[in-house]
Amino acid sequence: DIQMTQSPSTLSASVGDRVTITCRASQSISTWLAWYQQKPGKAPKLLIYGASSLQSGVPSRFSGSGSGTEFTLTINSLQPDDFATYYCQHYDSYGTFGQGTKLEIK
Amino acid sequence: QLQLQESGPGLVKPSETLSLTCTVSGGSISSSNYYWGWIRQPPGKGLEEIASIYYTGNTYYNPSLKSRVTISIDTSKNQFSLKLNSVTAADTAVYFCARQFHLGNYPDYFDFWGQGTLVTVSS
Repeated sequence: DIQMTQSPSTLSASVGDRVTITCRASQSISTWLAWYQQKPGKAPKLLIYGASSLQSGVPSRFSGSGSGTEFTLTINSLQPDDFATYYCQHYDSYGTFGQGTKLEIK
Repeated sequence: QLQLQESGPGLVKPSETLSLTCTVSGGSISSSNYYWGWIRQPPGKGLEEIASIYYTGNTYYNPSLKSRVTISIDTSKNQFSLKLNSVTAADTAVYFCARQFHLGNYPDYFDFWGQGTLVTVSS
């Protein structure tokens, strides 16, 4: 089974900062990777698919990159609404999520 | 506007069967572009995909849950359902239903989610 590992588990940042979250796969997954944002009590929201394609309606300050085993989600110029938990997901015959990265206000 | 709504008991006794239904409105469950899936999230923990189904009945299951899970679809009602048997306290979670984009051989990412429903396993 493919394992997805995110780092860091928690990230403290300030409004206006640029932050990067990393997701590593235990074996190559090409670009079969998505990123989601989840706020407390809410369903996850799709941000990025295909490792780097921005979902419709998602602000352009979000970007994704990577292929193979290492992927990153970058948020430029953090906004107050961006403080949430972020998950990566490898999708295949069934999806495997990373453990999540909580982005909190410094 | 697409909407997905989970329904089912919020409390299930240990060893019994958890049954949930997702009703899709504002779109057809028979679309060739999508699978339909269930994901769960134990309180304070991460996300775990359970199973996915296509309108033809084709299914994919998380191997770790496959022996206890059945996913089904009713295109006439625009609904799909989940059954998880022999539940324990470890199955306590928020259960989400979601639409899953499909282009290639397998289901892809989840692009639209229901709000989720908390199911507690307790006697």
